[in-house]
Amino acid sequence: NAGVTQTPKFQVLKTGQSMTLQCAQDMNHEYMSWYRQDPGMGLRLIHYSVGAGITDQGEVPNGYNVSRSTTEDFPLRLLSAAPSQTSVYFCASSLLTTRGNEQFFGPGTRLTVL
Amino acid sequence: DQQVKQNSPSLSVQEGRISILNCDYTNSMFDYFLWYKKYPAEGPTFLISISSIKDKNEDGRFTVFLNKSAKHLSLHIVPSQPGDSAVYFCAAREQGGSEKLVFGKGTKLTVNP
Repeated sequence: NAGVTQTPKFQVLKTGQSMTLQCAQDMNHEYMSWYRQDPGMGLRLIHYSVGAGITDQGEVPNGYNVSRSTTEDFPLRLLSAAPSQTSVYFCASSLLTTRGNEQFFGPGTRLTVL
Repeated sequence: DQQVKQNSPSLSVQEGRISILNCDYTNSMFDYFLWYKKYPAEGPTFLISISSIKDKNEDGRFTVFLNKSAKHLSLHIVPSQPGDSAVYFCAAREQGGSEKLVFGKGTKLTVNP
């Protein structure tokens, strides 16, 4: 199993540009989520999904869109990039078990918006 | 308002000694608590978890203690090794179906040889 994969690893955008961060998992996990990590802020939830066709907002959803057309993929779209979206983005997935939603994380995408 | 708090940004210990990382929470609806470990330039990896109905869970060198009345949990690492040097995140899940995790800001542990 490849686990959770994210592409690209690094990206530089100009203000106003749009892009999609890709996330895929091959573990047949129902639950997928996107977090951003900023210095001194920990991990903050952007959007999450409990299954194909179902998405919901997390703590910091503004400026981001998601969709979940398949179990495997959960792309994160930046509609019009802003410098405040400079961050490291992590995708995670998990089985909805009774063990407290133990999530498996991808390696991250480091995004810089100029 | 921060629901999960890790008040120590950093901790330094000697190899072979005990490392104790602390976490406080405010939401009584949390039913599971998890600890994640993160190395630079990598994603977080799951370390250990505990249900709110327990007060201790052990896995090798790692033990998590939960004090519900104080809304406090701690992660003990014994003995500490240089490879344990990383950022440790405390996370909590709110019961009720959304499965969302709320993370603390992390504590950077440095284990000195």
